[in-house]
Amino acid sequence: GQNIDQPTEMTATEGAIVQINCTYQTSGFNGLFWYQQHAGEAPTFLSYNVLDGLEEKGRFSSFLSRSKGYSYLLLKELQMKDSASYLCAVTNNFNKFYFGSGTKLNVKP
Amino acid sequence: DGGITQSPKYLFRKEGQNVTLSCEQNLNHDAMYWYRQDPGQGLRLIYYSQIVNDFQKGDIAEGYSVSREKKESFPLTVTSAQKNPTAFYLCASQGGQGGDTQYFGPGTRLTVL
Repeated sequence: GQNIDQPTEMTATEGAIVQINCTYQTSGFNGLFWYQQHAGEAPTFLSYNVLDGLEEKGRFSSFLSRSKGYSYLLLKELQMKDSASYLCAVTNNFNKFYFGSGTKLNVKP
Repeated sequence: DGGITQSPKYLFRKEGQNVTLSCEQNLNHDAMYWYRQDPGQGLRLIYYSQIVNDFQKGDIAEGYSVSREKKESFPLTVTSAQKNPTAFYLCASQGGQGGDTQYFGPGTRLTVL
């Protein structure tokens, strides 16, 4: 089966750095995605990792360790608009996506 | 513009009625998916289709049905057998290759009165 865990909620200050962790157990791992979802809206793609290491994209970076079943999303220079839920999703060899419950990030002034 | 659309945005249904949610994409994607999201929860897979005229059950298929007669369209019917249908429904499409992201429609919020 699939099991994906993320913290339920986090709070950080504008301008700071925050790390959102995701651990997973899956068979036939074929990549890990991070999505951002504002309340009442659809998720939007942030990053994709399939090999171990860090992928950097502007203020957002994502890290993957396949041997540990672990990923994190790093958000730098936080802005108020970054207040949203962040979803971790794992795919398998059959192109099925398995989503975590999401981490609600609150950015305070 | 290429994209994925869902209609309607808000839908109200009386208990015991079937209702069909529309999902259309012009991205030429092979794979399409339906998810359900409850407040404060992640996405749970209802049905998915990797190719026209073929689809598979997801984790919570009971009380739902789908069809995939055209590549562009993947409608979802919420039947009266679904005991707790009030939720936010998201449709997604994907190119079908490993590593391709899913693109989501704007969602339909279904409320059963």
